[in-house]
Amino acid sequence: DAKTTQPTSMDCAEGRAANLPCNHSTISGNEYVYWYRQIHSQGPQYIIHGLKNNETNEMASLIITEDRKSSTLILPHATLRDTAVYYCIVRVAGPGNTPLVFGKGTRLSVIA
Amino acid sequence: DSGVTQTPKHLITATGQRVTLRCSPRSGDLSVYWYQQSLDQGLQFLIQYYNGEERAKGNILERFSAQQFPDLHSELNLSSLELGDSALYFCASSVGQRETQYFGPGTRLLVL
Repeated sequence: DAKTTQPTSMDCAEGRAANLPCNHSTISGNEYVYWYRQIHSQGPQYIIHGLKNNETNEMASLIITEDRKSSTLILPHATLRDTAVYYCIVRVAGPGNTPLVFGKGTRLSVIA
Repeated sequence: DSGVTQTPKHLITATGQRVTLRCSPRSGDLSVYWYQQSLDQGLQFLIQYYNGEERAKGNILERFSAQQFPDLHSELNLSSLELGDSALYFCASSVGQRETQYFGPGTRLLVL
């Protein structure tokens, strides 16, 4: 079972920041927070991941609370092409195999 | 473009038949993961190979099998197909077993 809780859906106006929350209250110290998105029925696309520090790349920013029990993915200037299902995934960072466990994600609709 | 390729893109077959799905990982990636996405079950991990060896199994049916070849490409074999096997099948690859996974575009299987 997924170890994260996300809102089912969200809307965002084009050009505005999209802030997608994720709750992972049972996260362990050696678990990363990963974000992927899936546009229509395409393959999931990696966005960003982090352990405890905030992270930023060319696609998004990831803000993780100090207690690590929740995080927010920020798309700074959402476009229509950002309409997708966004998955927040907790994944062990230790040795050995750790497949991704997907929940239902948040369906983000960017509106013109 | 993630660098992961999957063939075929679409596959239509009949119940009871057998099909083979193919995945070529990104250059340099040793791990290959297979996932199934159906309407009612969401994205589910099936099986993982690392450098030719099976490393983890998820919700993979006994009618399904996979292998990874010396050139690191992987094949997922689905036999005695049932209507319920209709789904999107995604392959993902990563450098090792803990690194970020990158997904291919998927194979859409329709069993009639």
